[in-house]
Amino acid sequence: DAMVIQNPRYQVTQFGKPVTLSCSQTLNHNVMYWYQQKSSQAPKLLFHYYDKDFNNEADTPDNFQSRRPNTSFCFLDIRSPGLGDAAMYLCATSRDVGQPQHFGDGTRLSIL
Amino acid sequence: AQSVTQPDIHITVSEGASLELRCNYSYGATPYLFWYVQSPGQGLQLLLKYFSGDTLVQGIKGFEAEFKRSQSSFNLRKPSVHWSDAAEYFCAVAGGGNKLTFGTGTQLKVEL
Repeated sequence: DAMVIQNPRYQVTQFGKPVTLSCSQTLNHNVMYWYQQKSSQAPKLLFHYYDKDFNNEADTPDNFQSRRPNTSFCFLDIRSPGLGDAAMYLCATSRDVGQPQHFGDGTRLSIL
Repeated sequence: AQSVTQPDIHITVSEGASLELRCNYSYGATPYLFWYVQSPGQGLQLLLKYFSGDTLVQGIKGFEAEFKRSQSSFNLRKPSVHWSDAAEYFCAVAGGGNKLTFGTGTQLKVEL
């Protein structure tokens, strides 16, 4: 089945140690998104790619970066994770502007 | 700016009872509206969407929602709840491009 796949499902890293989360899609969608979701909260959009065009949300910390080397893959890089970055990170895709978003199962990030 | 309000943080219903989850939105033009469901440790799954046309939309798993422009509402309903419906439900609005704004979610508990 076509889907959005996030790896790994669980990631543990040390305070300040860079970490990369990965997302791949078989839907061939133009848009890929990264969300941060903390416990009992709504997902918060960090940034998205429309094709190769990167769109950062105004309140996304500089500590968070993203790469999209091709249509299928998108990466979330956290350069120096702090304790406050522990969260579920969700990747989503959509065909185009305003279309429904398809979510992966997320990566739960823990910071030691 | 667009926003979504889900006034009920927690709702408990008995299995077999009817369900209505409330959602109010704020957006200057005709919005795109969505309901997503999230089971623990999982990503978000699209239940249904409203773009235009018939204001009563049918979704998966027996859910439906009604768009009422006069009340700026998009409430989710199900005539008979199953224990497997216990999850968190998010209403979302999309406008001004492909940015999705989520409500804070409603946690549904189903009593057997």
